[in-house]
Amino acid sequence: GAVVSQHPSWVICKSGTSVKIECRSLDFQATTMFWYRQFPKQSLMLMATSNEGSKATYEQGVEKDKFLINHASLTLSTLTVTSAHPEDSSFYICSARVLLGEKLFFGSGTQLSVL
Amino acid sequence: SQQGEEDPQALSIQEGENATMNCSYKTSINNLQWYRQNSGRGLVHLILIRSNEREKHSGRLRVTLDTSKKSSSLLITASRAADTASYFCAPSSGGSYIPTFGRGTSLIVHP
Repeated sequence: GAVVSQHPSWVICKSGTSVKIECRSLDFQATTMFWYRQFPKQSLMLMATSNEGSKATYEQGVEKDKFLINHASLTLSTLTVTSAHPEDSSFYICSARVLLGEKLFFGSGTQLSVL
Repeated sequence: SQQGEEDPQALSIQEGENATMNCSYKTSINNLQWYRQNSGRGLVHLILIRSNEREKHSGRLRVTLDTSKKSSSLLITASRAADTASYFCAPSSGGSYIPTFGRGTSLIVHP
């Protein structure tokens, strides 16, 4: 089955530092990747959609300069939280889809804690 | 894009009982998918039902779809403690749709 690897699973960082989260499709080409943010017991909030080789499309209210998304290849997308602050602490999840695919394949998520 | 609304928000049952959760959506769809999320993990795809299907089975899972009512239900039979998780539906209007999710149904199965 299709596997999406997300790394790291958890990260603790100091306020003001930047954190990079990687999302890799291991056995398929992910033409589209999605990044979500989830607070405890809440829904997944879509942050942005990225297509390989294109700039990401951000949802309303998501700061593109703060959450940098790069989708340089068909198997890798990265989310960089720049100058992280405590309010950025959350669970971040990526998902991937093949071209015109119906199913989404999710990474296992990254718990970010900013001190 | 559209998101499904799951109901109930929380469900607590004993092992061996059946669990039913519902999903409602607003506009016409090509298919509807159900996902499961264990605490602190990503989502896992469970089952996909197409708009021209009314019922689909996968192991202990049974999904129904009523396009006239714009609703779907997920039934888990003979539940197990390991079924404890949150369940989300994702109505889809095509390959280019942008998947969004509701709050999900939080299922707790007591051993």
